[in-house]
Amino acid sequence: GAVVSQHPSWVICKSGTSVKIECRSLDFQATTMFWYRQFPKQSLMLMATSNEGSKATYEQGVEKDKFLINHASLTLSTLTVTSAHPEDSSFYICSARAEGPDTQYFGPGTRLTVL
Amino acid sequence: SQKIEQNSEALNIQEGKTATLTCNYTNYSPAYLQWYRQDPGRGPVFLLLIRENEKEKRKERLKVTFDTTLKQSLFHITASQPADSATYLCALDMLDSGGGADGLTFGKGTHLIIQP
Repeated sequence: GAVVSQHPSWVICKSGTSVKIECRSLDFQATTMFWYRQFPKQSLMLMATSNEGSKATYEQGVEKDKFLINHASLTLSTLTVTSAHPEDSSFYICSARAEGPDTQYFGPGTRLTVL
Repeated sequence: SQKIEQNSEALNIQEGKTATLTCNYTNYSPAYLQWYRQDPGRGPVFLLLIRENEKEKRKERLKVTFDTTLKQSLFHITASQPADSATYLCALDMLDSGGGADGLTFGKGTHLIIQP
């Protein structure tokens, strides 16, 4: 099946610094990638939809200037958490859509801890 | 707003029995519904998708039903094994007639424990 990777798998940073998370589709081209966030014992919440070659679409309540998304190629999307604060500590998960509206493949997630 | 309800309490099942998980939703008519498995510290793994015009879908020991009148989906694991222990997530598409955002809306998940 289709494989999606994320890097890094975990990261610890100081408050105020920026962190970049990569999401790659390894064996297929993904015109659309999604970024989710999951807090402990909570559901995955969609943050934004990333389309190759265009601006990302953010969900209500998600600050686009804080969570920068770049989808520069059909196999790579990046999420940059700018000026990270402890409340941004969470599990960030990306997914990639191969073709059709119902085939999403999820990455293994990135655990972000902001001190 | 869309709301998805899954039993947030852990479900304990004896090995070999059938585990049945429930997903209820309100304020929405999804085109399809999906079930995922999530292990601790890992991303969700796709299991099954069922469309609004399908009543039942099977895959090996897994079975999903979809009742759009009751706005409910049931997820069954037959001949359950300890390795089936995980959190199971129900997810709905966010497609609407206007072709809006097409990510997924997830429930909180049900933690399933299969006891030997």
